[in-house]
Order: sequence, then C-alpha cells, then structure tokens
Amino acid sequence: GAVVSQHPSRVICKSGTSVKIECRSLDFQATTMFWYRQFPKQSLMLMATSNEGSKATYEQGVEKDKFLINHASLTLSTLTVTSAHPEDSSFYICSARSHGDDRDTQYFGPGTRLTVL
Amino acid sequence: AQKITQTQPGMFVQEKEAVTLDCTYDTSDQSYGLFWYKQPSSGEMIFLIYQGSYDEQNATEGRYSLNFQKARKSANLVISASQLGDSAMYFCAMREGPGFQKLVFGTGTRLLVSP
Repeated sequence: GAVVSQHPSRVICKSGTSVKIECRSLDFQATTMFWYRQFPKQSLMLMATSNEGSKATYEQGVEKDKFLINHASLTLSTLTVTSAHPEDSSFYICSARSHGDDRDTQYFGPGTRLTVL
Repeated sequence: AQKITQTQPGMFVQEKEAVTLDCTYDTSDQSYGLFWYKQPSSGEMIFLIYQGSYDEQNATEGRYSLNFQKARKSANLVISASQLGDSAMYFCAMREGPGFQKLVFGTGTRLLVSP
C-alpha cells in the first residue's frame, strides 16, 4: 500500500513553455500533498504544501505565480511550472501524506526530471 | 540553525557487514517524529523507518533499526547485513509537533556497499 505515482518521469521543454506534473496517490486518499525540488547532490527543498480543496501554502522564496499548484481531488495534485526557464531545470518530487497511521508518514512519488532548454 | 544534521557525506561498507548512519536533530518540541528515507540513483524516495518521540523502544523494520537516543537528540540508522542494493543516498527527516505536517530533511549520506 501507500503508492504514489508521478507523471511524467522526465520532460524536456523549450524555454517559455509551461509544464504540468501530476502526482497521484494510488491506493489511499491524501488530503495533503507536498511538492519538493531537489538539485543535484543536494537534499530535498519543500516548495509548497497542497491541501485538497484549498489554496496551496508556499514556502518562503517560492514564486506562487511561477509554480501553480492544484489539488482538485483527494488523489491528485498537479504542479505547473509556468514560462519555464533553464534555471527551473531540476528534479521535482511529490509526496502524499497518509492518514492511515499515526505517524503521518509521507510517501513519495518517483520524481520528475525537468530539463528546460 | 540546522534542524537535522547528517555529518557523514559518504560511507563505505562491505557486503554483509553492519553500518550506522548518523543523524542528530534540534527541536524544542516534545512531540516529533523522525524518519529515514532511502533514495537510490533512480530518484525515488523510499520510506524506511519511523521513530516517534514518545516511543520508548527503538524502531525496527527488517534489517533497519533506529538507535534513538533522546537525550542526545540522535536518531542513527543501523543497517544490518548490508547488501549491494543498499547503495544509495539516505536522508534523515523530522516532523515537528502533532499538527505540523512538514518534513525537514538532512543533507543526506551516500552509502556504498562493496562486494
């Protein structure tokens, strides 16, 4: 159980285009999902907390107009990188919080590698 | 101030041996949770083990155990009988407070298991 999928796994796009990344909890409902960014050989940096049915909460320094988050259902959250630029190239990984246990464990998707040319 | 500190950027171990990955944390909360995740080269983050601040016994999950020393604020991961497939990055993370949802991650330790 507690499987999280992410799509696409890899995307290459031209500068100026928008890219949408989907995060799905496959076998559990997640009222809260998280979006992280990871630069090479570095740790995960939380970008935003996505709550179902409400606006996302962004971390300091993360542009909300640049990184649009939608959490329309209990199993799906999307991250849209708008007008992508080469500096947005990174590994984006989502997680979903499981309420099934008292640990509030976050289960992660396999990540999306974004390359902006 | 760094909330999660992993002082070992890299560790080497021979197959079948045990290895300890260090993690210290900083919090003033009484209620918190500590997690270890494994990240292989494929990039996915795999949940390994959890220790709650009120848990009196050290957590164990198969070959993984957590050496929890609350007074020292350390939560070291012990991997017994290392396997080649254990080679990966390992991240320690903390969730503070019962209502807090965020995880704070350490900088990670790269483990290499040799034959």
